Amino acid sequence: KNEVEQSPQNLTAQEGEFITINCSYSVGISALHWLQQHPGGGIVSLFMLSSGKKKHGRLIATINIQEKHSSLHITASHPRDSAVYICAPPGGATNKLIFGTGTLLAVQP
Amino acid sequence: DVKVTQSSRYLVKRTGEKVFLECVQDMDHENMFWYRQDPGLGLRLIYFSYDVKMKEKGDIPEGYSVSREKKERFSLILESASTNQTSMYLCASSLLGLAGLNEQFFGPGTRLTVL
Repeated sequence: KNEVEQSPQNLTAQEGEFITINCSYSVGISALHWLQQHPGGGIVSLFMLSSGKKKHGRLIATINIQEKHSSLHITASHPRDSAVYICAPPGGATNKLIFGTGTLLAVQP
Repeated sequence: DVKVTQSSRYLVKRTGEKVFLECVQDMDHENMFWYRQDPGLGLRLIYFSYDVKMKEKGDIPEGYSVSREKKERFSLILESASTNQTSMYLCASSLLGLAGLNEQFFGPGTRLTVL
């Protein structure tokens, strides 16, 4: 079983829709990162959160440490949100990031 | 803004060649990382450095070495490139501290093809 599992793996949405991407992990953690990668582009850190909820513009991230689950929500989605979204909890003996395989989001106009 | 730059966006090399990938950050970060990214596998850590001349192996160090002679620069070396090292290579940096508990800033990536 993978230590980090994201769902769905692929998601197509219409512009304006509310989007949810889920991340479940088996490692014990104190924080979790959400990252965004545009096609052919580098990776940008969106959030690092250790409890509750964080909001940045139209993006909202929530985490439940006890249930080992985090969600990334996008409100009023736009085609420019099309990207791969990656969750990454730290884990293992060295506490380095363990990356999920990502969710490929396509928002159609 | 933190800036992490990588020496090449695209690189084509032949099997057996020695390959250098360079990464430079301008925010005085102590931690620097080299990852490779392959379809279906996500990012995997190759090497990590927390200070000049200090390094730690990541999950997949075989076939790679690193060098950190200056704080701002972290080099990844493929001593003898092989076709299974064809991949996207990403460098990142972060402030000192537990590597998983600080925001990491990524470079644009180098897509390496080994023929």
